[in-house]
Amino acid sequence: GQQVMQIPQYQHVQEGEDFTTYCNSSTTLSNIQWYKQRPGGHPVFLIQLVKSGEVKKQKRLTFQFGEAKKNSSLHITATQTTDVGTYFCWGENTGFQKLVFGTGTRLLVSP
Amino acid sequence: SAVISQKPSRDICQRGTSLTIQCQVDSQVTMMFWYRQQPGQSLTLIATANQGSEATYESGFVIDKFPISRPNLTFSTLTVSNMSPEDSSIYLCSVDTGWWGASNKQYFGPGTRLTVT
Repeated sequence: GQQVMQIPQYQHVQEGEDFTTYCNSSTTLSNIQWYKQRPGGHPVFLIQLVKSGEVKKQKRLTFQFGEAKKNSSLHITATQTTDVGTYFCWGENTGFQKLVFGTGTRLLVSP
Repeated sequence: SAVISQKPSRDICQRGTSLTIQCQVDSQVTMMFWYRQQPGQSLTLIATANQGSEATYESGFVIDKFPISRPNLTFSTLTVSNMSPEDSSIYLCSVDTGWWGASNKQYFGPGTRLTVT
């Protein structure tokens, strides 16, 4: 079945450092979404990417969808303590048959 | 947007019993989903709750264990039947604001933390 892996599993950074998480799918995706889950909370939608090579920015967050539509990345510039949480990608395959969350990357930011 | 509530927020249950979790949305949506999340893990899709028809279950999940109802476009229930300690988890419902298979964004309920003793 479809698998969506994220790396790294965990990252601990100092406030102000940059952070990147990568999402890799075994199959081609029709679209990819990113979610953030704070400790003790539920996932919250961040962005959706649909087009090959698409890049979107939200303030300090930059999202990219790979040319082959099998991978994606989320980059945070100058992390803040409010960025703490687990970041999940979510992928839908081109057959609209599987809705799969990635394994997640847990981010810890120290002041 | 969509605001989702779940009941109960948490429960501690005896093995062998069943628990029904309710999910209420403040607007009509076509797609509702039920997920399970073990502590520190990703979300696993249990099933898609279809209005007016049987739910669509993912591999590894069966209707006898996780019966789902979806009587209308704003409400769904998930029952965890004949519980065992392995069912201890957080159960989340979500809705997709897209229509008829075109995925948009998912909104999640606050989750139900279930502990089975």
